[in-house]
Order: sequence, then structure tokens, then C-alpha cells
Amino acid sequence: GDSVTQMEGPVTLSEEAFLTINCTYTATGYPSLFWYVQYPGEGLQLLLKATKADDKGSNKGFEATYRKETTSFHLEKGSVQVSDSAVYFCALSTSRAGTYKYIFGTGTRLKVLA
Amino acid sequence: DAMVIQNPRYQVTQFGKPVTLSCSQTLNHNVMYWYQQKSSQAPKLLFHYYDKDFNNEADTPDNFQSRRPNTSFCFLDIRSPGLGDTAMYLCATSVTTGRYTEAFFGQGTRLTVV
Repeated sequence: GDSVTQMEGPVTLSEEAFLTINCTYTATGYPSLFWYVQYPGEGLQLLLKATKADDKGSNKGFEATYRKETTSFHLEKGSVQVSDSAVYFCALSTSRAGTYKYIFGTGTRLKVLA
Repeated sequence: DAMVIQNPRYQVTQFGKPVTLSCSQTLNHNVMYWYQQKSSQAPKLLFHYYDKDFNNEADTPDNFQSRRPNTSFCFLDIRSPGLGDTAMYLCATSVTTGRYTEAFFGQGTRLTVV
């Protein structure tokens, strides 16, 4: 079945460091790919998305490129801030019987130190 | 702002005492989802509604039920909560037409069974 695998955390970085969180997926068909962010005690917020191969999603300095050949969607940010501390979920959606089903990775906790 | 609203944010219930969680949306989306998220785990889909059609996941316990009386509201009923049902419950919506492919999440209800 469809699945998402992302690197385990926690990831601890100093402010202004470069961030990479790896994500790979397995899916039949052509899924859309997403990164969601979850702050403590909150729901999930969409960070960025890509709907087809070679698309690059970007938002708030974060970027991810849909790589069909490597089935990957790695999240990157050039310079992290303390406020980026959160849990990041990679996800895919596939179309089933006219609706989307969303499958999530296990999440990667990021802690940024001042 | 259009959004997905969950009530209550926090709920404590006794073992075996029925509990209902609610979700409302102003997005007019035709699909609504309920996810269960246990500590440090990925959100797990329990079921979803596509318009009025109910779609249960194969591994969702019978203890969990849902109602969608109209487009805007959806309820999660736990008939006899066990200690293992302590979790964050996330409501989400999506739309099957138009350019939005992502799911929109509420802030979640943190349920504690004692």
C-alpha cells in the first residue's frame, strides 16, 4: 500500500543552520506531496505542497522538490530560526473513488537553539 | 476567516463513558475526515465522509462512530472509551473540485480517558 517514510528525529540545530529533513514515498499512480507543520498542542498546518513531478513547493523559506525518479520530497531551509521549532510531517494524497486520502509519515521533531 | 473548528479543545472522560467530539467548517468542503494521533505518532485516518457517504477504514474499531448531519458539521462518537483511546483527534476537510488538493485541519481535540 501507499506509505511515507521520513527521517527520525529529533533534529537539533543552532539558529541559522541549514536544515534537511528527508522524505521518501511509495505510491501507485501520481500522488500529490505535502509538508505539514505541527506546533505543540495544535493541529496540522500546511507548509508547502507539490502536485506533479519536478514541481517545487516553497513557503516561509522552506522548499521541497517532487522527485519522481527517487520518490523523494526532502524539506530544506537555508537558515532556521528558533520559531521553526515544531514537528514536521511529510504526507501524500492519492485519489480513491473520487476523494483524496492523506497518508502521513511519522513526523520529525525539529528543535532550534538560539 | 474560513476555517475548521473543533470543540472542545480538551476533553477528559471516564473509562467507558460515551463522549462526542465535534467539528465544524466554513469552507463548504464536501469531504470531512477524522484522524487519531497518539503521542509522537503519525495521524491515523479513522474514517471520512464524501458528501453524505461514510467511508470507514478497515482497522477502525467499532467503538468509533461518526455522524455528518449537514455539510458543515461532523461528529466523532466514542461509545465506550478505553485508556488506549487517549489521543489527539484531528478533523480535516478537503474538496474534490478546484485547485486545492490539500487537507485543511482543525486545531484538534486532546482527549484523555481516565
